[in-house]
Formats: sequence, structure tokens, C-alpha cells
Amino acid sequence: RKEVEQDPGPFNVPEGATVAFNCTYSNSASQSFFWYRQDCRKEPKLLMSVYSSGNEDGRFTAQLNRASQYISLLIRDSKLSDSATYLCVVNEHSGNQFYFGTGTSLTVIP
Amino acid sequence: GAVVSQHPSWVICKSGTSVKIECRSLDFQATTMFWYRQFPKQSLMLMATSNEGSKATYEQGVEKDKFLINHASLTLSTLTVTSAHPEDSSFYICSARAGEMNTEAFFGQGTRLTVV
Repeated sequence: RKEVEQDPGPFNVPEGATVAFNCTYSNSASQSFFWYRQDCRKEPKLLMSVYSSGNEDGRFTAQLNRASQYISLLIRDSKLSDSATYLCVVNEHSGNQFYFGTGTSLTVIP
Repeated sequence: GAVVSQHPSWVICKSGTSVKIECRSLDFQATTMFWYRQFPKQSLMLMATSNEGSKATYEQGVEKDKFLINHASLTLSTLTVTSAHPEDSSFYICSARAGEMNTEAFFGQGTRLTVV
């Protein structure tokens, strides 16, 4: 079983739509969670960390459910510039390693 | 945010030759750096964790004798792909953590390796 699993999509949504991505992780001892964004042929860049209480940054909301071992990312009022691959990342402190999901491809259509 | 510089950005080499990729943390010290490989339309796969002053920890299925990692200083880790084959052609990315646990990792720009 993979450490981190995501629906690869693709998600094709119109501008202004709200879209949500989920990600599940297998190691219940995982400590830190992040959403990264990766544009084509570029390195991943941090979008936001995910805190236990949930956190919001503008149009983006991230939530963590430890009991069910999943994290989510909600994007409201989608913009064309949101088109990218969104990577769910889990940090397992025991091994000091970051594990990535397969990424979810989002295309926002005019 | 912290800056991680990776060099070269792209390289083409002949089968059987070796290629060295450098990863530098420019404005912070990184005791741990990570090396990933990404094939087209796939996610990043962790290859190894590089620890300054000690041997790297390789993920299962990654040949340590083929992918040599050296982390000689707190700001530099290198990945050498030895005896490269066409199937080694991929996008290699390094990352480093700037702080303690719970902090994010910053990524280098990536190296696109093509073996012909």
C-alpha cells in the first residue's frame, strides 16, 4: 500500500467553481502535512501547511482528519492560474522523510 | 522562503557515463536533504535521504551503488548517477528542510536528465 494516496484526476472545472481534493495516508504516526503545487516541468512549491485545527489562506482551505487519516484541500472561486498539479505531502518524523501523493491535476477552464 | 539551488537544470549524456547533480542550500544550513525522481505524469518518488557527514538512507528498490549520494557539508549534497542508462532518464529534484520538524521542505529547480 502506498504511503500517500490521491485521486489523480484530472479535474476540469470552470472559472469561479469550488473544487476539493482529498488525500489519505497510511501511517497513523505521521506528524506533518502539506499541500504543494507543481506546475508543468517545474519544482513543487509549498501551497500551505495543514494544521490539526484546519487552516485557511485566502481562497484555499486545508483540513486534517487524523481519525480517518485524510487531508483535504478546498479551492474556492477557481482562477485560471490555479491550473496545476496539487501534491499531498506527509512527513513521517520517525524517518524524517517526506512522502508525496501522485498529485491531482486541476485545469480551470475559462 | 529559503532557497535551494540545483545544478545543472538539464543534461544529456551518453549511456555508460556518469552524471553528477548538485543541490545547494543558499541561505540556510541543511543537515538533511532529500533526493526525488519524477517520471512523466507521475508523482515524486523519494530515492534517498541525505544526511550531512553520514551515509545516505536509500528507499527500497533504489540502488545505492548506482545513485551515489554525498553530503559533505551543511549546504551541499550531490547525487551521481553512475553508468547511466536510458531508463535513468527522468526529472531529479532535491529538497531540504530549513528548520526543525513540522517545517516545510524547499525544492531545487530540478534536473532533467536524458540518457542517449
